[in-house]
Amino acid sequence: GDSVTQMEGPVTLSEEAFLTINCTYTATGYPSLFWYVQYPGEGLQLLLKATKADDKGSNKGFEATYRKETTSFHLEKGSVQVSDSAVYFCALRYLSGGYQKVTFGIGTKLQVIP
Amino acid sequence: DGGITQSPKYLFRKEGQNVTLSCEQNLNHDAMYWYRQDPGQGLRLIYYSQIVNDFQKGDIAEGYSVSREKKESFPLTVTSAQKNPTAFYLCASSNGRESFYEQYFGPGTRLTVT
Repeated sequence: GDSVTQMEGPVTLSEEAFLTINCTYTATGYPSLFWYVQYPGEGLQLLLKATKADDKGSNKGFEATYRKETTSFHLEKGSVQVSDSAVYFCALRYLSGGYQKVTFGIGTKLQVIP
Repeated sequence: DGGITQSPKYLFRKEGQNVTLSCEQNLNHDAMYWYRQDPGQGLRLIYYSQIVNDFQKGDIAEGYSVSREKKESFPLTVTSAQKNPTAFYLCASSNGRESFYEQYFGPGTRLTVT
């Protein structure tokens, strides 16, 4: 079935470092792709999304481009801050049995140190 | 403000007891979802409901039950048949007509069964 594969963490970076979190997907149709962020003890929040190939989602300095040729949706940020420390989930929306469903990656924990 | 509320934030139960987790949304969303989150395993779908009075099993429905009598409410019952009920439970909702099925999450309920 449709799925996403996300790099395992934890990822530890110094403040102002460049961030990349890899995400690749497997899908039979034309999925929408999402990145969610989860701060400690909280639910998930949508960070950005892309609904078709070559779309670039961006928010709060984070970006991800929907690449159909490489089936990827890698998350990037040019300069991370301590406040970016959280768990990041890649997700894919697909149609299954007439129902819209979403599948999530395992999450990548990011720790940014001053 | 619109959003999803889950209560309580922390819940403790003795083994063998059923427990019901509350999820309410005032976003006027048609679809609602329950996920279970365990360390290192990401999110796993328990049940979902696309409309009132209809719900479908997700990937790990055994030992759980739900109801969807009102659009705003989607309570989850963790029964004594669930072998490992201790986990962080997340409720979400979505509205496909407006948001490409991006999901909005509640703050979660951490259930501990001893």
